[in-house]
Amino acid sequence: QKEVEQNSGPLSVPEGAIASLNCTYSDRGSQSFFWYRQYSGKSPELIMSIYSNGDKEDGRFTAQLNKASQYVSLLIRDSQPSDSATYLCAVNMGVSDSWGKFQFGAGTQVVVTP
Amino acid sequence: ETGVTQTPRHLVMGMTNKKSLKCEQHLGHNAMYWYKQSAKKPLELMFVYNFKEQTENNSVPSRFSPECPNSSHLFLHLHTLQPEDSALYLCASSQERLNTGELFFGEGSRLTVL
Repeated sequence: QKEVEQNSGPLSVPEGAIASLNCTYSDRGSQSFFWYRQYSGKSPELIMSIYSNGDKEDGRFTAQLNKASQYVSLLIRDSQPSDSATYLCAVNMGVSDSWGKFQFGAGTQVVVTP
Repeated sequence: ETGVTQTPRHLVMGMTNKKSLKCEQHLGHNAMYWYKQSAKKPLELMFVYNFKEQTENNSVPSRFSPECPNSSHLFLHLHTLQPEDSALYLCASSQERLNTGELFFGEGSRLTVL
């Protein structure tokens, strides 16, 4: 069973602190990795993508990928109340026989407290 | 018109009704998807279309019938649904390339089956 696992939370983070979200995946052939943010009652929106090992920074967000350990993480620096949402980890095999097969985790709920 | 639009946003139907969900993407993408999102569960991939050809049917019951007349439009025809089919149905599109592929979601159609 190919799976993407995330802690469901809620992860409570004081305003201004760093939120750290983790995601593990079971399929070693996975090639591309994404973090989506989903506000309550809204659809998911892409906030980060990462394709190679290491760190990728975009503003207050940093994605980290370790393919050997099969995990991908997301750091949110200087957390703001507007960051309160559910964060979905998504994994795409990206090879010909698994084209288009994005697998999602159940999401981690983040609550930023003033 | 921008992005991915879905109609209707909310739908209530009885178990014997027949209804359809519509999705339209204005991004010039070549792939379209239907996902089901139930509370506290990962997004479930239902169908994938690439250049109008169905490339994935993720063991979806036959009471859900997709239709993709062109690369910009996607329908989900519903008939004799069950109460457990109540969920948020999300349409997405992507421009698929090897090892990449970012999903862009519509706002979703909230379905309630009575």
